[in-house]
Amino acid sequence: DTGVSQNPRHKITKRGQNVTFRCDPISEHNRLYWYRQTLGQGPEFLTYFQNEAQLEKSRLLSDRFSAERPKGSFSTLEIQRTEQGDSAMYLCASSYSDRGRSGYTFGSGTRLTVV
Amino acid sequence: GQQVMQIPQYQHVQEGEDFTTYCNSSTTLSNIQWYKQRPGGHPVFLIQLVKSGEVKKQKRLTFQFGEAKKNSSLHITATQTTDVGTYFCAETDSWGKLQFGAGTQVVVTP
Repeated sequence: DTGVSQNPRHKITKRGQNVTFRCDPISEHNRLYWYRQTLGQGPEFLTYFQNEAQLEKSRLLSDRFSAERPKGSFSTLEIQRTEQGDSAMYLCASSYSDRGRSGYTFGSGTRLTVV
Repeated sequence: GQQVMQIPQYQHVQEGEDFTTYCNSSTTLSNIQWYKQRPGGHPVFLIQLVKSGEVKKQKRLTFQFGEAKKNSSLHITATQTTDVGTYFCAETDSWGKLQFGAGTQVVVTP
């Protein structure tokens, strides 16, 4: 297992376009999280899954954002009608369902730039 | 949700010196985790503290959890250039999601 994998690493899109990011977690981990990080800030929670169930969504996640985790494996995060304010690093993390006692493993992130 | 405050926001350290970064909360923390993010990288888990007054060491890094579980600290001795990065503290809530502080950005001068 090579850890948490995110694709693409970078995405530049025009305002108004839709984008989709993919996250492949560590296979033994049943929890998967999406975070967003802007320059100089800590990661902000967006949403998380336990297996295939989406258990919580942040108020930061507007109706333009949707996330899925079919079959409890990989996850996708889609942003519709992108805005310049969506420009950020989107981080995926996975963990065991032990309240994170083992720590969270983050992927390298997808850097989104909306022009 | 729970908000953890980190101070200082920036820390310039001469190589070989010691420094400490702090994580504070106005309410009791159930636990605290520390992560390190290198420039251009992603957060990497360092440690979790759960018990009141807990102290854990990892080589030159010493992590403490306050007696009242409202604060935590990370102390690095004999700073090296490899210590460059941003150090985040974070609490996991009852659902297991992380609430991060804003981080302490550490710059090491040779």
